Amino acid sequence: AQSVTQLDSHVSVSEGTPVLLRCNYSSSYSPSLFWYVQHPNKGLQLLLKYTSAATLVKGINGFEAEFKKSETSFHLTKPSAHMSDAAEYFCVVSTTGNQFYFGTGTSLTVIP
Amino acid sequence: NAGVTQTPKFQVLKTGQSMTLQCAQDMNHEYMSWYRQDPGMGLRLIHYSVGAGITDQGEVPNGYNVSRSTTEDFPLRLLSAAPSQTSVYFCASSRRGGGRNNYGYTFGSGTRLTVV
Repeated sequence: AQSVTQLDSHVSVSEGTPVLLRCNYSSSYSPSLFWYVQHPNKGLQLLLKYTSAATLVKGINGFEAEFKKSETSFHLTKPSAHMSDAAEYFCVVSTTGNQFYFGTGTSLTVIP
Repeated sequence: NAGVTQTPKFQVLKTGQSMTLQCAQDMNHEYMSWYRQDPGMGLRLIHYSVGAGITDQGEVPNGYNVSRSTTEDFPLRLLSAAPSQTSVYFCASSRRGGGRNNYGYTFGSGTRLTVV
């Protein structure tokens, strides 16, 4: 069985301050983990992925995430928030490659 | 490069009507999936396919049918629409792989369906 828990449904940060979006996962096998972003009324865009290689993964737009097996976590970070980062973020777990399991999402608000 | 194309973008149905949501991809991806997105629930897997002629159920398959006669197309059929099927539907595709070769899904732009 696989699942993800996104620990915060809403996060607000000021522009220029760090972003932390938290994700814990549960998986019976070695998982692949992903972060997707969804801007209002848009589709989903892949930010970054972890697939059993380096545990610190860098993605697009300055985002990165660290896979921590001992903590079963895959938190998403960015050093300095930009207004364009305001969106919904989804953490995703997969083991087979054809079935993805989504978290319930974290809505990020960036305050000018 | 079109990627994953979904049609229509918006649809209003009456309870009991049937319809097909279309999905096509031009990337020669083996895997395709349908998800529904509801507020506060993330995306939930309806049906998926690992190749032409092969489909399987996801988390929430009831009320939906799929088929995969070609690599490119993966239509989703609503048999008898119900208000509980009001949602945003996303189609996605991916190259075959798992483990280190898990490529991640490419998503279409979605279909917003309202059942009245």
